[in-house]
Amino acid sequence: GENVEQHPSTLSVQEGDSAVIKCTYSDSASNYFPWYKQELGKRPQLIIDIRSNVGEKKDQRIAVTLNKTAKHFSLHITETQPEDSAVYFCAASHGGGADGLTFGKGTHLIIQP
Amino acid sequence: NAGVTQTPKFQVLKTGQSMTLQCAQDMNHEYMSWYRQDPGMGLRLIHYSVGAGITDQGEVPNGYNVSRSTTEDFPLRLLSAAPSQTSVYFCASSYSLGTPYNSPLHFGNGTRLTVT
Repeated sequence: GENVEQHPSTLSVQEGDSAVIKCTYSDSASNYFPWYKQELGKRPQLIIDIRSNVGEKKDQRIAVTLNKTAKHFSLHITETQPEDSAVYFCAASHGGGADGLTFGKGTHLIIQP
Repeated sequence: NAGVTQTPKFQVLKTGQSMTLQCAQDMNHEYMSWYRQDPGMGLRLIHYSVGAGITDQGEVPNGYNVSRSTTEDFPLRLLSAAPSQTSVYFCASSYSLGTPYNSPLHFGNGTRLTVT
Protein backbone atom coordinates (compact mmCIF):
# COMPACT_ATOMS: atom_id res chain seq x y z
CA GLY A 1 0.00 0.00 0.00
CA GLU A 2 0.84 3.68 -0.03
CA ASN A 3 3.33 5.08 2.49
CA VAL A 4 3.62 8.81 3.19
CA GLU A 5 6.57 10.26 5.06
CA GLN A 6 6.35 13.82 6.42
CA HIS A 7 9.12 16.08 7.72
CA PRO A 8 9.80 17.77 10.02
CA SER A 9 7.64 16.61 12.90
CA THR A 10 7.99 20.02 14.56
CA LEU A 11 8.80 23.34 12.90
CA SER A 12 9.29 26.63 14.73
CA VAL A 13 9.55 29.85 12.72
CA GLN A 14 9.48 33.55 13.51
CA GLU A 15 6.31 35.40 12.68
CA GLY A 16 6.63 36.81 9.17
CA ASP A 17 9.09 34.16 8.00
CA SER A 18 8.28 31.31 5.60
CA ALA A 19 7.62 27.70 6.54
CA VAL A 20 8.14 24.63 4.38
CA ILE A 21 6.83 21.13 5.12
CA LYS A 22 7.88 18.21 2.95
CA CYS A 23 6.27 14.86 2.17
CA THR A 24 7.28 11.86 0.12
CA TYR A 25 5.03 9.07 -1.13
CA SER A 26 5.74 5.56 -2.32
CA ASP A 27 2.98 4.68 -4.82
CA SER A 28 3.77 6.16 -8.22
CA ALA A 29 0.09 5.72 -9.16
CA SER A 30 -1.06 8.20 -6.48
CA ASN A 31 -2.66 11.19 -8.15
CA TYR A 32 -4.21 13.40 -5.49
CA PHE A 33 -2.31 15.21 -2.72
CA PRO A 34 -4.25 17.30 -0.20
CA TRP A 35 -2.99 19.20 2.83
CA TYR A 36 -5.00 19.51 6.03
CA LYS A 37 -4.64 21.90 8.96
CA GLN A 38 -5.74 20.83 12.42
CA GLU A 39 -5.98 23.28 15.28
CA LEU A 40 -5.84 21.98 18.82
CA GLY A 41 -8.96 20.00 19.71
CA LYS A 42 -10.55 20.52 16.31
CA ARG A 43 -11.09 18.52 13.15
CA PRO A 44 -8.70 18.50 10.20
CA GLN A 45 -9.67 20.96 7.50
CA LEU A 46 -8.51 21.05 3.91
CA ILE A 47 -6.33 24.05 3.11
CA ILE A 48 -5.06 23.20 -0.37
CA ASP A 49 -4.80 20.23 -2.70
CA ILE A 50 -3.02 19.37 -5.92
CA ARG A 51 -3.54 16.79 -8.61
CA SER A 52 -0.82 14.90 -10.40
CA ASN A 53 -1.27 16.79 -13.66
CA VAL A 54 -0.25 20.07 -11.97
CA GLY A 55 3.21 21.01 -10.70
CA GLU A 56 2.31 23.93 -8.45
CA LYS A 57 -0.76 25.57 -6.96
CA LYS A 58 -1.10 28.78 -4.95
CA ASP A 59 -3.79 30.22 -2.73
CA GLN A 60 -2.80 33.55 -1.20
CA ARG A 61 0.01 32.80 1.30
CA ILE A 62 -0.11 29.06 0.77
CA ALA A 63 1.42 27.08 -2.09
CA VAL A 64 1.98 23.42 -2.82
CA THR A 65 4.52 21.96 -5.22
CA LEU A 66 4.61 18.45 -6.62
CA ASN A 67 7.55 16.56 -8.12
CA LYS A 68 6.15 13.35 -9.57
CA THR A 69 9.53 12.04 -10.67
CA ALA A 70 10.95 12.27 -7.16
CA LYS A 71 7.58 11.42 -5.57
CA HIS A 72 7.57 14.33 -3.19
CA PHE A 73 5.37 17.32 -2.54
CA SER A 74 5.75 20.32 -0.28
CA LEU A 75 3.65 22.93 1.48
CA HIS A 76 4.94 26.49 1.54
CA ILE A 77 3.49 29.15 3.84
CA THR A 78 4.79 32.69 3.40
CA GLU A 79 4.52 35.65 5.78
CA THR A 80 3.51 33.37 8.65
CA GLN A 81 1.03 34.66 11.22
CA PRO A 82 0.12 33.46 14.74
CA GLU A 83 -3.06 31.85 13.40
CA ASP A 84 -0.93 29.57 11.23
CA SER A 85 0.11 27.69 14.39
CA ALA A 86 -1.40 24.20 14.07
CA VAL A 87 -0.63 20.64 13.03
CA TYR A 88 -0.43 20.15 9.28
CA PHE A 89 -0.98 16.80 7.56
CA CYS A 90 -0.13 15.83 4.04
CA ALA A 91 -1.90 12.94 2.34
CA ALA A 92 -1.86 10.93 -0.85
CA SER A 93 -4.60 9.05 -2.62
CA HIS A 94 -3.84 5.65 -4.10
CA GLY A 95 -4.08 5.15 -7.83
CA GLY A 96 -7.70 4.06 -7.81
CA GLY A 97 -8.55 6.30 -4.91
CA ALA A 98 -11.31 4.11 -3.56
CA ASP A 99 -9.34 2.91 -0.55
CA GLY A 100 -8.90 6.31 0.91
CA LEU A 101 -6.22 8.79 1.74
CA THR A 102 -2.95 7.83 3.42
CA PHE A 103 -1.80 10.56 5.78
CA GLY A 104 1.63 11.60 6.94
CA LYS A 105 2.22 11.74 10.69
CA GLY A 106 1.87 15.49 10.85
CA THR A 107 4.00 18.60 11.42
CA HIS A 108 3.46 20.81 14.44
CA LEU A 109 4.05 24.34 13.18
CA ILE A 110 4.83 26.90 15.88
CA ILE A 111 4.87 30.58 15.01
CA GLN A 112 7.11 32.52 17.41
CA PRO A 113 6.06 36.14 18.03
CA ASN B 1 -26.09 21.80 5.62
CA ALA B 2 -24.84 20.35 8.89
CA GLY B 3 -21.97 18.60 7.08
CA VAL B 4 -20.60 15.53 8.90
CA THR B 5 -22.13 14.94 12.32
CA GLN B 6 -20.56 12.59 14.85
CA THR B 7 -21.99 11.45 18.17
CA PRO B 8 -21.06 11.20 20.95
CA LYS B 9 -18.27 13.76 21.42
CA PHE B 10 -16.82 11.94 24.41
CA GLN B 11 -17.17 8.36 25.64
CA VAL B 12 -15.60 6.28 28.38
CA LEU B 13 -15.88 2.50 28.18
CA LYS B 14 -14.69 -0.37 30.30
CA THR B 15 -12.67 -3.14 28.70
CA GLY B 16 -14.99 -5.62 27.01
CA GLN B 17 -17.92 -3.26 26.54
CA SER B 18 -19.36 -2.60 23.12
CA MET B 19 -20.63 0.60 21.59
CA THR B 20 -21.44 2.30 18.32
CA LEU B 21 -20.04 5.62 17.15
CA GLN B 22 -22.53 7.39 14.96
CA CYS B 23 -21.75 9.32 11.79
CA ALA B 24 -24.16 11.06 9.46
CA GLN B 25 -23.68 13.39 6.51
CA ASP B 26 -26.21 15.47 4.62
CA MET B 27 -24.12 16.32 1.56
CA ASN B 28 -25.14 13.27 -0.50
CA HIS B 29 -21.56 12.05 -0.44
CA GLU B 30 -20.93 8.57 -1.79
CA TYR B 31 -17.63 8.04 0.02
CA MET B 32 -17.48 7.76 3.82
CA SER B 33 -14.68 6.63 6.07
CA TRP B 34 -13.50 6.28 9.65
CA TYR B 35 -10.06 7.31 10.86
CA ARG B 36 -8.43 7.08 14.25
CA GLN B 37 -5.92 9.63 15.42
CA ASP B 38 -3.25 8.81 17.97
CA PRO B 39 -0.39 11.07 19.11
CA GLY B 40 2.51 10.92 16.67
CA MET B 41 0.68 8.48 14.38
CA GLY B 42 -1.27 10.80 12.15
CA LEU B 43 -4.66 9.66 10.87
CA ARG B 44 -5.07 5.97 10.11
CA LEU B 45 -7.92 4.56 8.03
CA ILE B 46 -10.10 1.99 9.80
CA HIS B 47 -12.91 1.26 7.32
CA TYR B 48 -14.40 2.99 4.34
CA SER B 49 -17.42 2.80 2.06
CA VAL B 50 -17.83 3.90 -1.55
CA GLY B 51 -21.61 3.69 -1.46
CA ALA B 52 -24.62 2.19 0.29
CA GLY B 53 -24.19 -1.54 0.83
CA ILE B 54 -20.43 -1.46 0.15
CA THR B 55 -17.74 -1.42 2.84
CA ASP B 56 -14.08 -2.34 2.93
CA GLN B 57 -11.18 -2.47 5.36
CA GLY B 58 -8.54 0.18 5.75
CA GLU B 59 -5.16 0.06 7.44
CA VAL B 60 -6.30 -0.78 11.01
CA PRO B 61 -9.67 -2.62 10.84
CA ASN B 62 -9.24 -5.17 13.65
CA GLY B 63 -11.75 -4.78 16.48
CA TYR B 64 -14.13 -2.60 14.46
CA ASN B 65 -17.18 -3.29 12.28
CA VAL B 66 -19.07 -0.98 9.95
CA SER B 67 -22.19 -1.04 7.83
CA ARG B 68 -23.63 1.32 5.23
CA SER B 69 -27.37 0.76 4.86
CA THR B 70 -28.04 4.31 3.65
CA THR B 71 -26.02 6.97 1.85
CA GLU B 72 -26.24 9.25 4.89
CA ASP B 73 -25.12 7.01 7.76
CA PHE B 74 -21.92 5.10 8.47
CA PRO B 75 -21.76 3.81 12.08
CA LEU B 76 -18.61 2.31 13.58
CA ARG B 77 -19.04 -0.53 16.06
CA LEU B 78 -16.56 -1.58 18.70
CA LEU B 79 -17.46 -5.16 19.55
CA SER B 80 -15.32 -5.62 22.68
CA ALA B 81 -13.44 -2.49 23.65
CA ALA B 82 -9.76 -2.70 24.53
CA PRO B 83 -7.44 -0.04 26.02
CA SER B 84 -5.56 0.00 22.69
CA GLN B 85 -8.70 1.50 21.15
CA THR B 86 -8.37 4.64 23.24
CA SER B 87 -8.14 7.30 20.57
CA VAL B 88 -9.87 10.16 18.79
CA TYR B 89 -12.12 8.89 16.02
CA PHE B 90 -12.99 10.95 12.97
CA CYS B 91 -15.64 10.22 10.40
CA ALA B 92 -15.05 11.79 6.99
CA SER B 93 -16.96 11.94 3.73
CA SER B 94 -16.33 12.98 0.18
CA TYR B 95 -18.31 13.29 -3.02
CA SER B 96 -15.81 10.99 -4.64
CA LEU B 97 -12.33 9.75 -3.93
CA GLY B 98 -11.24 8.16 -7.11
CA THR B 99 -9.82 9.07 -10.47
CA PRO B 100 -10.66 11.44 -11.96
CA TYR B 101 -13.06 13.02 -9.50
CA ASN B 102 -10.99 13.32 -6.35
CA SER B 103 -12.82 15.78 -4.14
CA PRO B 104 -12.02 17.08 -0.67
CA LEU B 105 -12.55 14.96 2.41
CA HIS B 106 -14.85 16.60 4.98
CA PHE B 107 -14.29 15.59 8.59
CA GLY B 108 -16.69 15.46 11.51
CA ASN B 109 -15.75 16.99 14.87
CA GLY B 110 -14.47 13.73 16.28
CA THR B 111 -15.27 11.38 19.15
CA ARG B 112 -12.78 11.11 22.00
CA LEU B 113 -12.93 7.54 23.30
CA THR B 114 -11.24 6.29 26.46
CA VAL B 115 -11.19 2.60 27.32
CA THR B 116 -10.24 1.75 30.89
